[in-house]
Amino acid sequence: AQKITQTQPGMFVQEKEAVTLDCTYDTSDPSYGLFWYKQPSSGEMIFLIYQGSYDQQNATEGRYSLNFQKARKSANLVISASQLGDSAMYFCAMREGYNTDKLIFGTGTRLQVFP
Amino acid sequence: DAGVIQSPRHEVTEMGQEVTLRCKPISGHDYLFWYRQTMMRGLELLIYFNNNVPIDDSGMPEDRFSAKMPNASFSTLKIQPSEPRDSAVYFCASSFWATTYNEQFFGPGTRLTVL
Repeated sequence: AQKITQTQPGMFVQEKEAVTLDCTYDTSDPSYGLFWYKQPSSGEMIFLIYQGSYDQQNATEGRYSLNFQKARKSANLVISASQLGDSAMYFCAMREGYNTDKLIFGTGTRLQVFP
Repeated sequence: DAGVIQSPRHEVTEMGQEVTLRCKPISGHDYLFWYRQTMMRGLELLIYFNNNVPIDDSGMPEDRFSAKMPNASFSTLKIQPSEPRDSAVYFCASSFWATTYNEQFFGPGTRLTVL
């Protein structure tokens, strides 16, 4: 079974609009962490935001926020006020448990922001 | 501060040749990760080290792949002999346990092409 599922291979959004990128995860471990990374066309992976399984509030970092629904096992990334520079691949990843630092990545969503 | 440094950035080699990829983690980081990214398999963890000791090498595809970390500031990933199916982008990442999220910082990647 897929540990991390990103069902949207591609998304389009107009500049200045908000967009939600979906991520669902599968784990039986009560302790886990969820990450979102951005990969622009230049290729580097850039850390955006983190949500811990015990965090009471949804994580926010500037224009990025995480819509964390634990019961549904979803951790959707919301980008507000999209900019042309947000066009990139976005990856959701999970770290399970206390005893590993291994990240499992989803297949990614390609976001295109148009003027 | 310098980020994770990888060399070479691009490598083209012929099947059967030995390939060595190099990584310098961020100074002070105690974890180092090697990933491979392909269109077919996405981003997958090959191996990771903690304090220069390999912790999980379950993602290493086969005996042709080996990784070493002789000291805290240098790691290599070697493929011998290389095959066309090894063509991919190889990322090195590092992290430090005491950061808030223990997020991984990625290098720019090495694009390997095996002819």
